[in-house]
Amino acid sequence: EVQLVESGGGLVKPGGSLRLSCAASGFTFSDYTMNWVRQAPGKGLEWVSSITGSSSYKHYADSVKGRLTISRDNAKNSLYLQMKSLRADDTAVYYCASDRGYADFENWGLGTLVTVSS
Amino acid sequence: DIQMTQSPSSLSASVGERVTITCRASQSINSYLNWYQQKPGKAPNLLIYTASSLQSGVPSRFSGSESGTDFTLTISSLQPEDCATYYCQQGHSYPWTFGQGTKVEIK
Repeated sequence: EVQLVESGGGLVKPGGSLRLSCAASGFTFSDYTMNWVRQAPGKGLEWVSSITGSSSYKHYADSVKGRLTISRDNAKNSLYLQMKSLRADDTAVYYCASDRGYADFENWGLGTLVTVSS
Repeated sequence: DIQMTQSPSSLSASVGERVTITCRASQSINSYLNWYQQKPGKAPNLLIYTASSLQSGVPSRFSGSESGTDFTLTISSLQPEDCATYYCQQGHSYPWTFGQGTKVEIK
């Protein structure tokens, strides 16, 4: 059974940093592009970042470019999102999602809540 | 960036009724259009990929179609468990973008 489990969310002050993790199991992790998608409270879905299986290509939404960094460790079946210079509008539930190659997010984690507030 | 315009933003329909949600892309996306269902407090669930392919395990009352840059999600016979918010998403070019969502309620 495919499982994606996010962790690392919490309350952080504006300007602070946080590192999110996503532990994957039940599939060949290195074969899949992985994504972070976020959802602000009461709002819609926003794609944040993608990383290919070999980490050769990384893409970011303009809203996070230069502040958030995606990475992965295929030996540990893990995806990461390093977040710095956090702002109030980064407050959201952050989901990791696997991608079959057509940007179709087949599997999702349960999400981890990041709250940026003083 | 490709803009995805979804309509309506909400709808209310009776059990058994046919429901249609539309999504318009700001430019050609060559069938790279996916539909998701999200229930409150849950992660989204992929329903339809590449415009009209039904994801494994999804009931056959869900279907997708396209006409140029216009895409449609149809629920042929609305069921109580279909109460949710539905999102379209383009997978043609970065940044991947979602529609603003359509909330479906039972009348």
